[in-house]
Amino acid sequence: KNEVEQSPQNLTAQEGEFITINCSYSVGISALHWLQQHPGGGIVSLFMLSSGKKKHGRLIATINIQEKHSSLHITASHPRDSAVYICAVRSRSNYQLIWGAGTKLIIKP
Amino acid sequence: DGGITQSPKYLFRKEGQNVTLSCEQNLNHDAMYWYRQDPGQGLRLIYYSQIVNDFQKGDIAEGYSVSREKKESFPLTVTSAQKNPTAFYLCASSIFPRARGLTEAFFGQGTRLTVV
Repeated sequence: KNEVEQSPQNLTAQEGEFITINCSYSVGISALHWLQQHPGGGIVSLFMLSSGKKKHGRLIATINIQEKHSSLHITASHPRDSAVYICAVRSRSNYQLIWGAGTKLIIKP
Repeated sequence: DGGITQSPKYLFRKEGQNVTLSCEQNLNHDAMYWYRQDPGQGLRLIYYSQIVNDFQKGDIAEGYSVSREKKESFPLTVTSAQKNPTAFYLCASSIFPRARGLTEAFFGQGTRLTVV
């Protein structure tokens, strides 16, 4: 079993829909990252959080440390949000990043 | 603008040849990382370096080599010993990961290597 599991693997939605991507992990962490990878391959960091909730524009990230679970939400989704969204956790024991396999999101106009 | 630059974006290599992927950062970051990404899988750590002239093997170091002669540069060589080198390679950098507080990682745009 992977230490970081994302769901769903693939998600297709219509423009304007509310999107939720989930990330569950099984190790002790010091931080959790949400990143976005566009079709060209470059990765951009969206959020880095260790507790609670963060919001940036239409993106919201939450984390529940007790349940070892995080969610990334996109409100009023748009075709330009189409990308792969990756969850990664920083291990508290060795400080390395452990990566989820990513969720491929397609937003149709 | 500060950032991390990988080159080239696309690279083709004949079987049996070594090839070196470049990664340069001007963020004054101590730590640099090389990851490999295969379809449907999470990123896997090849090598990382937390300080100049020092580097450590990651989870899949076999068939790869690195050097860290300068803080700004962390080139990755894919050797002929790497059995399945065709993949997408990502370089990242961050402040020293044991620093207090959260450490954000910055990524290059990646290099797609194809062995022909």
